[in-house]
Amino acid sequence: GENVEQHPSTLSVQEGDSAVIKCTYSDSASNYFPWYKQELGKGPQLIIDIRSNVGEKKDQRIAVTLNKTAKHFSLHITETQPEDSAVYFCAASRGTGRRALTFGSGTRLQVQP
Amino acid sequence: EAGVAQSPRYKIIEKRQSVAFWCNPISGHATLYWYQQILGQGPKLLIQFQNNGVVDDSQLPKDRFSAERLKGVDSTLKIQPAKLEDSAVYLCASSLEGTGVGEQFFGPGTRLTVL
Repeated sequence: GENVEQHPSTLSVQEGDSAVIKCTYSDSASNYFPWYKQELGKGPQLIIDIRSNVGEKKDQRIAVTLNKTAKHFSLHITETQPEDSAVYFCAASRGTGRRALTFGSGTRLQVQP
Repeated sequence: EAGVAQSPRYKIIEKRQSVAFWCNPISGHATLYWYQQILGQGPKLLIQFQNNGVVDDSQLPKDRFSAERLKGVDSTLKIQPAKLEDSAVYLCASSLEGTGVGEQFFGPGTRLTVL
């Protein structure tokens, strides 16, 4: 089955700096790669996703890049703000049938004001 | 649009007791998932339904866990008997059925503590 590895496990940045989180996956059939933000006591919330026919996607301060050959994808957050502090999860999924997500182990991001 | 609803939000039980969790997905979402999230880890799939049929339950500990999706809408997840290692947050998610993978919307989860 799919295996997703995520690093770093913790990341501390100063407000206004950039943050980068990286993930690798094992299943070459995976073609959907979402990123979720989870705040304390809440369920994961989708912040951005990318599909295998796209190499990069950007939404305001958040961007995701995908390298299918190397089987890795990354989340980039620019101009970080204290409200970006949370746990971030990457995930991977196949396109049809068993669409369940395989999650990474999470990155705790702390933005210091 | 109302989100995924789950209840209860918290549950404390003793080992060997039974417990049930309830999930109401977003209206019109054909696919429903139950995930288990142990503290400090990412969610792990337990079972996936499409309408009221099971698509994937390969990671569900069937000797103690069971799940059903009544009439293709609400779902219940049951644990009987509970073990200490079942302490976790149980997340329900739903997504639209379609030709490709769609966004999964998560509920707030049920935090289970087994003493």
